Amino acid sequence: AQKITQTQPGMFVQEKEAVTLDCTYDTSDQSYGLFWYKQPSSGEMIFLIYQGSYDEQNATEGRYSLNFQKARKSANLVISASQLGDSAMYFCAMREGADSNYQLIWGAGTKLIIKP
Amino acid sequence: KAGVTQTPRYLIKTRGQQVTLSCSPISGHRSVSWYQQTPGQGLQFLFEYFSETQRNKGNFPGRFSGRQFSNSRSEMNVSTLELGDSALYLCASSLYTDTQYFGPGTRLTVL
Repeated sequence: AQKITQTQPGMFVQEKEAVTLDCTYDTSDQSYGLFWYKQPSSGEMIFLIYQGSYDEQNATEGRYSLNFQKARKSANLVISASQLGDSAMYFCAMREGADSNYQLIWGAGTKLIIKP
Repeated sequence: KAGVTQTPRYLIKTRGQQVTLSCSPISGHRSVSWYQQTPGQGLQFLFEYFSETQRNKGNFPGRFSGRQFSNSRSEMNVSTLELGDSALYLCASSLYTDTQYFGPGTRLTVL
């Protein structure tokens, strides 16, 4: 079974609109971390936002927020007021279990294109 | 602070050759992880090093190996290259177990 599922292979969004990128995860661990990364066409993976499983509040970083619904095992990324520079691949990733596990498990990604 | 650097950025090799990729982490970061990214398999974890010790290893054949030096710089080696090894190889560093910060990647093409 997929540990991280991103159901939107691609999305087109009008500039300045808000966009939600979906991510669901599957784990039996109580302690885990969820990450979102952005990968422009240049290839570099850029960290956007992090949510720990015990964090009670949704994470926020500037225009990025994470809509964390633990019971649904969902960690959607919300980008407010999208910009042309937001066009890129977006990956959801999870680190499971104890702090001794440093491996990130990745979703397949969503290609986001912002239209002017 | 300088980010994660990877060299070389691009490589072209032929089947059967071996290749070594280098990664310099962010200053002060002691953990270095390697990932392979291909269109077919997506992003897959290769291994992670901390203080010159491999702590985690992904599900890759023994042709893929790595090491970390005392200055936290890491190298990854692939021996007997196969066409399927063509990929973007990403290196990431972190302080300990927290957020991983990635370098620009090395794009390897095997002919």
